[in-house]
Amino acid sequence: AQTVTQSQPEMSVQEAETVTLSCTYDTSESDYYLFWYKQPPSRQMILVIRQEAYKQQNATENRFSVNFQKAAKSFSLKISDSQLGDAAMYFCAYRGNFGNEKLTFGTGTRLTIIP
Amino acid sequence: GAGVSQSPSNKVTEKGKDVELRCDPISGHTALYWYRQRLGQGLEFLIYFQGNSAPDKSGLPSDRFSAERTGESVSTLTIQRTQQEDSAVYLCASSLKAGGPTDTQYFGPGTRLTVL
Repeated sequence: AQTVTQSQPEMSVQEAETVTLSCTYDTSESDYYLFWYKQPPSRQMILVIRQEAYKQQNATENRFSVNFQKAAKSFSLKISDSQLGDAAMYFCAYRGNFGNEKLTFGTGTRLTIIP
Repeated sequence: GAGVSQSPSNKVTEKGKDVELRCDPISGHTALYWYRQRLGQGLEFLIYFQGNSAPDKSGLPSDRFSAERTGESVSTLTIQRTQQEDSAVYLCASSLKAGGPTDTQYFGPGTRLTVL
């Protein structure tokens, strides 16, 4: 079974600064997908970014980017120019390929933005 | 376009009662997933549907939990004889098709279930 570990229960960052959230995972599969979701107090899970394991290039979405290290099984999220609206719980998630379609989530990192 | 919708938004029930939670996926999405999120925790997978078949029910915690889906639309999660430990937020997600590169799951706002 796969596991996802987020070792930082809480993080804080000054507005406009950069912060990196850590995620590691364990799997024996070679083909899989990784995701970061954001959950604000409204509890709606919002997709932030996704990465296919077969792609060497790190995914980016505007101010959000990942550092995907396949050999190290590491998938960190970098948020640049942090904004007040980025305050939320961030969950890292793993999904296998066909036959393993469910998302396996980490325990989350609560991100606070300091004005 | 419309996202995933869930109803009710909140549900308070008494221990021992049955509850039904509803999920409407994004139009055109053939895969539908149910997850549970206990207070302060991550999401736990319950069950998923591809069309109206359920290839993976491995996350259902007991036989009090069941789910069904009509065609490629609405799904209902039923919890019978609710217990206090069932209190949680129940989240539904949908994707174009289970597995493979198009399987990015988009979530609804969830149903908060409180069992007294």
